[in-house]
Amino acid sequence: AAGVIQSPRHLIKEKRETATLKCYPIPRHDTVYWYQQGPGQDPQFLISFYEKMQSDKGSIPDRFSAQQFSDYHSELNMSSLELGDSALYFCASSDLSGQAMTSTDTQYFGPGTRLTVL
Amino acid sequence: DAKTTQPPSMDCAEGRAANLPCNHSTISGNEYVYWYRQIHSQGPQYIIHGLKNNETNEMASLIITEDRKSSTLILPHATLRDTAVYYCIVRVNFGNEKLTFGTGTRLTIIP
Repeated sequence: AAGVIQSPRHLIKEKRETATLKCYPIPRHDTVYWYQQGPGQDPQFLISFYEKMQSDKGSIPDRFSAQQFSDYHSELNMSSLELGDSALYFCASSDLSGQAMTSTDTQYFGPGTRLTVL
Repeated sequence: DAKTTQPPSMDCAEGRAANLPCNHSTISGNEYVYWYRQIHSQGPQYIIHGLKNNETNEMASLIITEDRKSSTLILPHATLRDTAVYYCIVRVNFGNEKLTFGTGTRLTIIP
């Protein structure tokens, strides 16, 4: 079965640079979530989108923005990168409308993007 | 804050059943119990979820007490590949609600 795809898998940036992380949800999934996991920490919710509209927001820095596009993929844009932004970034997708072959409203995670800020 | 309490670590012998407990004494009537696991820096993997009835799938069984204040995830025949951090999460279903991860239980399968 198709899974959530994230790209790139690894990214190295310098301080104050920008980064864009991409997430391609499971086909027919309408909701995307972004989570951040710092070293030795548990995943923390950043932001979510349902049908291309922001649906919830967590502790996401103002330097970060995200959107969901018409094909339901999502991008997390990170600017003025800081050392503390080094983390694993996970995207998850879910199907709220019940059109996919997965459990309705259950979140399925991608493999993550490891961002290293030097 | 996470609404669940789990032991920080557990060991289980390979081939035996692994029973992972979770306390969620403040669970609301419309909240489900979800279990995920994370194998060393991989994306969290969905295992199972339930509301009040016991559930079973190809990966595990979920036993929820009648008062719904606690639950147990059972991996019937643990293998080395089951070594992971297991998260018990309570969450309203149908509402795009985020997952709030606690510290989880680090399960180590012993050969």
